[in-house]
Amino acid sequence: QVQLVQSGAEVKKPGASVKVSCKASGYTFIGFYMHWVRQAPGQGLEWMGWINPNGGDTKYSEKFQDRITLTRDTSINTVYLDFRNLRSDDTAIYYCARVGRLAGFWGPGTQVIVSS
Amino acid sequence: DIVLTQNPSSPVTLGQSASISCRSSESLVHSDGNTYLSWLQQRPGQPPRLLIYKISDRFPGVPDRFSGSGAGTEFTLKISSVEAEDVGVYYCMQATHSPLSFGGGTKVEIK
Repeated sequence: QVQLVQSGAEVKKPGASVKVSCKASGYTFIGFYMHWVRQAPGQGLEWMGWINPNGGDTKYSEKFQDRITLTRDTSINTVYLDFRNLRSDDTAIYYCARVGRLAGFWGPGTQVIVSS
Repeated sequence: DIVLTQNPSSPVTLGQSASISCRSSESLVHSDGNTYLSWLQQRPGQPPRLLIYKISDRFPGVPDRFSGSGAGTEFTLKISSVEAEDVGVYYCMQATHSPLSFGGGTKVEIK
């Protein structure tokens, strides 16, 4: 069965960077795009970007394109979200999700708290 | 980008049906003829879970009290005979146009 396992919670100071990982199993890793979606406290879902594990091409939301980088390591079936210059309003749960037209599998989420 | 609009809340009585609407700023019919509109459920403290895709196809394991309908720009999720475990926030999501996008969510709570 499809499983997405994410790295643990992080607490960062404003201006710092964070790297969140998402390890996939139960399917052919390079066969499906992986998306990152975040959810601020009490708010809805916000799409951040996707990575194609087969080749590594990416697409980012205009809102985040200057501060995030998505990468992958096909040897360990893992994708990464690098988020730079964090602000307090980046406090949120960050989800990796293999979502799209015909399916939807979500990781458990990684809490990132940005606080001085 | 596509904007999906949902009503913020929907109070329901246990055992009664609930309908949740989602309106798109543009048609969600893809050039391949399919409409890639999905519904997600998010229970408190949980990640989202896919219920319905392509307007009305239930994802494996989803109870048949959940059904989807609609076309073009107007879509509805219906929960027949609401149970206590159905409490949460429901999101519509479109994957027809890039980038994918989500509605603001509709909170289903028991009266």
